[in-house]
Formats: sequence, C-alpha cells, structure tokens
Amino acid sequence: AQKVTQAQTEISVVEKEDVTLDCVYETRDTTYYLFWYKQPPSGELVFLIRRNSFDEQNEISGRYSWNFQKSTSSFNFTITASQVVDSAVYFCALSEAPYGQNFVFGPGTRLSVLP
Amino acid sequence: ETGVTQTPRHLVMGMTNKKSLKCEQHLGHNAMYWYKQSAKKPLELMFVYSLEERVENNSVPSRFSPECPNSSHLFLHLHTLQPEDSALYLCASSQDVRDRVETQYFGPGTRLLVL
Repeated sequence: AQKVTQAQTEISVVEKEDVTLDCVYETRDTTYYLFWYKQPPSGELVFLIRRNSFDEQNEISGRYSWNFQKSTSSFNFTITASQVVDSAVYFCALSEAPYGQNFVFGPGTRLSVLP
Repeated sequence: ETGVTQTPRHLVMGMTNKKSLKCEQHLGHNAMYWYKQSAKKPLELMFVYSLEERVENNSVPSRFSPECPNSSHLFLHLHTLQPEDSALYLCASSQDVRDRVETQYFGPGTRLLVL
C-alpha cells in the first residue's frame, strides 16, 4: 500500500533562513510520481512540482529546490531565503501510474515564516 | 488564477438539512475530483469523475452524493450529515483522469460545519 509521511508537523523559521521540509514515501510500484503542493491560508492547493520515479535529478526553481533520493524513498523540499509569504501548509503526495486508485497525500507540514 | 471555483465558500448546516456544494472548472478539463480535508486526517480523495462518469468512489458514506452533469460542473449533495463530516471540501480538475500524473488544479474549497 502507498503511504506518504511528513514527520514535521509544524516548523517555524525567521525570514531569510533556509528550511527543508521532509517527505518519505512507500510504494511497491517501480513507476510512480511525486508531488508537492502548497496550501496558503486561503485554502486552495497550489501545485509546485511533479517528479517521476525515473528522474532522480534534483530540481531548482527560484528559491525552491527538491531533492529526490530513491535509495531513501525521500523527496525533500527546500526553501532558500524564506519569506513571510511562504507561510503555508505544504503537502507531499504520491501517485501510481498509469491510471489507478491511489493518489495519496501526506499529512502536511505547517510552515510559519516570522518577520 | 486557478480556473476552478467553488460555492459556497462557507456553509453551516444542521444534521437534518440537505445542501449542495458546487464546483465549476473553466479549464476545459475532462476529469473532476472531490477531496475532503479534515483537521486530523490527511487529504482524502472521495470521488473521481471522467467525462461525467464516476470512475472512483473511495468508500464514502451514502450521505454524500456526487453529481456531474457535464465536464465543467461537479456537485456534492449532502444530507443527514454528522458533526464529524465538518471539514474543508476541495474540488479539483485535471485534463484526463487516465493519466493521473497530470497536474490537478484545485479550487479554494468549501469549509463545512455540521452542527
């Protein structure tokens, strides 16, 4: 069965600090996809990244970067030079491919960036 | 702009009431989803529709009844709910449900309180 664990329930940092959000997943499939979503206080989920299981290259997008390591089943998310607007709940999610019933979210990590 | 709208944004109802949540997507997508996000559980997928046909029903109680009259609209009819059904209900859409890797675009959610 699929499972996504985000061990950090809440994190607080001061603005301009770097912060890493952890995501560990479990799946029996060799083909799968990993996602990160941001949920600001307004409630909607905002897609950040999708990564497939065959591509272990790390990705950087502005202040965001992702470290995918199949050996440890982790897909961690780092925000560099955090800003107050980064305050949100961040969800890691796992989906099996092709079409299947399992699209599982982790419990989320609430990030508070203090000015 | 997410392209997915939900109404109402907030709803308070008694256990004997009947109400409906509405979701509309303006993205030309073929698949739509209902998710439930409660305070103590990870995001849960409730229903999936593809081209107005329900393709997934994840053991949701019958007091939740979805309806998809066309690919742009999705409803969630509620009746005789319980207080534990209080949660944020999120609607999402994607281009094609058969390729689950496609990005899902989420609406802002309806925050439901059952008294």
